[in-house]
Amino acid sequence: DAKTTQPNSMESNEEEPVHLPCNHSTISGTDYIHWYRQLPSQGPEYVIHGLTSNVNNRMASLAIAEDRKSSTLILHRATLRDAAVYYCILDYGGATNKLIFGTGTLLAVQP
Amino acid sequence: DTGVSQNPRHKITKRGQNVTFRCDPISEHNRLYWYRQTLGQGPEFLTYFQNEAQLEKSRLLSDRFSAERPKGSFSTLEIQRTEQGDSAMYLCASSLESFLEQYFGPGTRLTVT
Repeated sequence: DAKTTQPNSMESNEEEPVHLPCNHSTISGTDYIHWYRQLPSQGPEYVIHGLTSNVNNRMASLAIAEDRKSSTLILHRATLRDAAVYYCILDYGGATNKLIFGTGTLLAVQP
Repeated sequence: DTGVSQNPRHKITKRGQNVTFRCDPISEHNRLYWYRQTLGQGPEFLTYFQNEAQLEKSRLLSDRFSAERPKGSFSTLEIQRTEQGDSAMYLCASSLESFLEQYFGPGTRLTVT
């Protein structure tokens, strides 16, 4: 199974951009890259996903390296509400699309 | 639509008792997932339904665990003869078959004393 590697924790200041890295050197050609986040005492929340091209939505941007061995989730202006655990997940593309979570990156946002 | 709901939100039970959790997915979502999360860890996949059919079960799902999704709507997860190691957050998620995003409920926190 392809795995992802993320820093255990990161810090950011409010209203500054945040770049959350993820390494996935064993990614296969059909694996989608997903990002979810989990706020304290809540279930995970979908953030964004992509395959090869960079993606943007109202929550964040996803930058995918050309060789697809790494990706970066970009929060353009961090707010206190963005403090959460961020998970980078590879979707194995099987029939179930089950998510295999790692331990994620705990993002702290300072006012 | 208010999203995925789970009941109860909290459950405290004594070792050896049976417990049942309920998940109501977003209407029209034909895929439903159960995950378990222990403190400090990411969620772990337990089982998956497409409509009423249970199509995959994790090896984590011992024979004390059973899940159903009658009529392809709500789902229940039952744990028989609970053990202290079953203490965790049990999360339910749903999705549409043609979309990759999963929508999670708030979870049911189980404490086995």
